[in-house]
Amino acid sequence: QKEVEQDPGPLSVPEGAIVSLNCTYSNSAFQYFMWYRQYSRKGPELLMYTYSSGNKEDGRFTAQVDKSSKYISLFIRDSQPSDSATYLCAMRTQGAQKLVFGQGTRLTINP
Amino acid sequence: EADIYQTPRYLVIGTGKKITLECSQTMGHDKMYWYQQDPGMELHLIHYSYGVNSTEKGDLSSESTVSRIRTEHFPLTLESARPSHTSQYLCASSEGPASGNTIYFGEGSWLTVV
Repeated sequence: QKEVEQDPGPLSVPEGAIVSLNCTYSNSAFQYFMWYRQYSRKGPELLMYTYSSGNKEDGRFTAQVDKSSKYISLFIRDSQPSDSATYLCAMRTQGAQKLVFGQGTRLTINP
Repeated sequence: EADIYQTPRYLVIGTGKKITLECSQTMGHDKMYWYQQDPGMELHLIHYSYGVNSTEKGDLSSESTVSRIRTEHFPLTLESARPSHTSQYLCASSEGPASGNTIYFGEGSWLTVV
């Protein structure tokens, strides 16, 4: 079993919809959680960074961490065609240097 | 905002050729990484470095080698390219613990070996 599981999709929603992207993980020692966005033929770019549990909001994006369920989410409100990309979750333990990535979810926002 | 540069962005090369993928960062980050990613697939860490003259193999076995002679430069070399090396190679670097060791990626180098 992988340490981090992420539904690869593809996920296709109409413009303006609320999108929910999720990852589950098995290592309860993970403390740092990130979401990356990757456009086709580009490198991943950091979207959201959260330490431990709770919510973090940045514009149309909200990241949620539920450590008791070992579950993290990224919500996109008022989704735009420009949000079409692959979204990767990543996480690491305290003191670890390397990130563990999910497989990525391919998202398409239809105009 | 991260300033990390990879060249070439796209390369088509014949089997048996030696290639070097260049990666430079201007942020003074000590930690640098190379990931391999096939289209639509996961990122796999193949090499990392925590500082000058320090290199380690990553989680995925790779026939490539790396060097870290300068902080800002982390090139990856394939001595004899094969079609199985066809993939996207992503260079990355990270800040210190204060920012959670967040990793910033370059644009990637797409390698095709024919």
